[in-house]
Amino acid sequence: GAVVSQHPSWVICKSGTSVKIECRSLDFQATTMFWYRQFPKQSLMLMATSNEGSKATYEQGVEKDKFLINHASLTLSTLTVTSAHPEDSSFYICSARALTGAFFGQGTRLTVV
Amino acid sequence: AQTVTQSQPEMSVQEAETVTLSCTYDTSESDYYLFWYKQPPSRQMILVIRQEAYKQQNATENRFSVNFQKAAKSFSLKISDSQLGDAAMYFCAYRSEASGTYKYIFGTGTRLKVLA
Repeated sequence: GAVVSQHPSWVICKSGTSVKIECRSLDFQATTMFWYRQFPKQSLMLMATSNEGSKATYEQGVEKDKFLINHASLTLSTLTVTSAHPEDSSFYICSARALTGAFFGQGTRLTVV
Repeated sequence: AQTVTQSQPEMSVQEAETVTLSCTYDTSESDYYLFWYKQPPSRQMILVIRQEAYKQQNATENRFSVNFQKAAKSFSLKISDSQLGDAAMYFCAYRSEASGTYKYIFGTGTRLKVLA
């Protein structure tokens, strides 16, 4: 149990376009999901907390207009990187809160060219 | 604010031997959880073990055990009978229960190499 699926696993997009990343809890309902960014050989940096049916809570320094988060159902949260630029290239990981802890998606490698 | 510190960027262990990864944290809260996550080359984060702060007994999961010293704010992970598949980045994480946000704070990680 407690499987979190993240899609796509990797994506390449052109500078200026938008990219949507999906995070699904497959066998449990998650009222809270988290979005992280991980730079090479570094730790996970929390970007925002996504709550079902309400606005996301962004961490300090994260541009909410650039990183749009929607948590429309108890099993799906999406992160849209708008007007992507090369500096947005990174590894993005979502996690979903379950009773026994947080479970993570497999991550999405975004490359903006 | 809470912080999590992992002072060992990299560790090596011989296969079948035991290794201990260190983690310290700082908090003024009394109600929290601590976790160790493993991130193999696939980059999938995998929960290794968790510890409730209110429990004095150290958590164990097969070959993995922790040494939780609440007063010292220390939470080390011991891996016994190390296997090649244990090679990965290991992250220590803190989760506050008081705030209700369930945010996780991660340490900077320790890369574990297992030598055959």
